[in-house]
Amino acid sequence: AQTVTQSQPEMSVQEAETVTLSCTYDTSESDYYLFWYKQPPSRQMILVIRQEAYKQQNATENRFSVNFQKAAKSFSLKISDSQLGDAAMYFCAYRSSIYSGAGSYQLTFGKGTKLSVIP
Amino acid sequence: KAGVTQTPRYLIKTRGQQVTLSCSPISGHRSVSWYQQTPGQGLQFLFEYFSETQRNKGNFPGRFSGRQFSNSRSEMNVSTLELGDSALYLCASSFTSGSSYEQYFGPGTRLTVT
Repeated sequence: AQTVTQSQPEMSVQEAETVTLSCTYDTSESDYYLFWYKQPPSRQMILVIRQEAYKQQNATENRFSVNFQKAAKSFSLKISDSQLGDAAMYFCAYRSSIYSGAGSYQLTFGKGTKLSVIP
Repeated sequence: KAGVTQTPRYLIKTRGQQVTLSCSPISGHRSVSWYQQTPGQGLQFLFEYFSETQRNKGNFPGRFSGRQFSNSRSEMNVSTLELGDSALYLCASSFTSGSSYEQYFGPGTRLTVT
């Protein structure tokens, strides 16, 4: 079974600064998807960015970018020019790309990192 | 296009009762997944429905069940509620069942069991 670990329960960043959230995962598969989701206080889970494991190029979405290290099974999220609206819980998630039985298309989430943005 | 909707948004039930939660996916989406979110266990997969069939099921007791209708709307039911069932229940829809399709989440139903 795959596991996702977020070792930073809480982090804070000054507005306009850059912050990096860490995520490691464990899997024996070679093809899979990784995601970062944002959950603000409203509780609506929003997809921030996704990475296909077979792509070596790191994904980027505006101020959000990832550092995907497949051999190290590491998938960190960098938020540049942090804004007050970035304050939220951030979840790293894994999904297998191969259907191998019950549950294999599910998202496996880490415990989350609570990000605070200081004005 | 309207997003995923979940009803009710908040619910308070008593131990031993049963509850039904509803999820309406994005128009055109045929796959619906359910997740339970608690402070202790985090986000855990409950089950996935596609074309009215349960495709996947997480590690939850049989008290948790679900179904999907021909219009892709889904319901989940929890019978004989326990205090530990208090959680945020999230529904996510995707165009079809498959790893490459994005899952779009609803706002969740907050269930409190007293």
